[in-house]
Amino acid sequence: DVKVTQSSRYLVKRTGEKVFLECVQDMDHENMFWYRQDPGLGLRLIYFSYDVKMKEKGDIPEGYSVSREKKERFSLILESASTNQTSMYLCASSWASGAYNEQFFGPGTRLTVL
Amino acid sequence: SQKIEQNSEALNIQEGKTATLTCNYTNYSPAYLQWYRQDPGRGPVFLLLIRENEKEKRKERLKVTFDTTLKQSLFHITASQPADSATYLCALGRDTNAGKSTFGDGTTLTVKP
Repeated sequence: DVKVTQSSRYLVKRTGEKVFLECVQDMDHENMFWYRQDPGLGLRLIYFSYDVKMKEKGDIPEGYSVSREKKERFSLILESASTNQTSMYLCASSWASGAYNEQFFGPGTRLTVL
Repeated sequence: SQKIEQNSEALNIQEGKTATLTCNYTNYSPAYLQWYRQDPGRGPVFLLLIRENEKEKRKERLKVTFDTTLKQSLFHITASQPADSATYLCALGRDTNAGKSTFGDGTTLTVKP
């Protein structure tokens, strides 16, 4: 079974703090994704990585950065957390050319910024 | 810009009936469409993929149709059970888009016993 794990299920941070969210997958997937999920807005792509050290901006990259130093690990960084970054953050991974292009998701991190 | 709309935020049906969920899209020409299931507090789980040249796909009690002229997919769950209660997301993608998909915001299905 593919496993995607995220470092925390719940996180509370203060405005202005630097926040690190970590994601690890164990299936040797090339692609990794970071999304945020908000009521009424659905899943929105923040950043995408298709290989180690490679990254692409998604639809809402402002205020975020990412790091992928190893194939299995993809980190999302909030440089200076703000209250509008309170959200559910979901990491996903997939093969570069799978038959179904399916993404495997982690359990999510619910981040609250006070 | 691309827009994906899933039918009414919530759908309530009686056990044993067929649930039908809708996914409409505009300003997009997807090569495939996916359906995912998401339970509260969990990440989405992939269910089915249907390609642009396919009209219908089935998997057990699930059936998906894809009409590229209407720009619409219908997702059916036959003989629904309370365990089918969840949020269902549709996602569109292109093979040239490096595995990225654009997700709708989901329809929450509740199946009442």
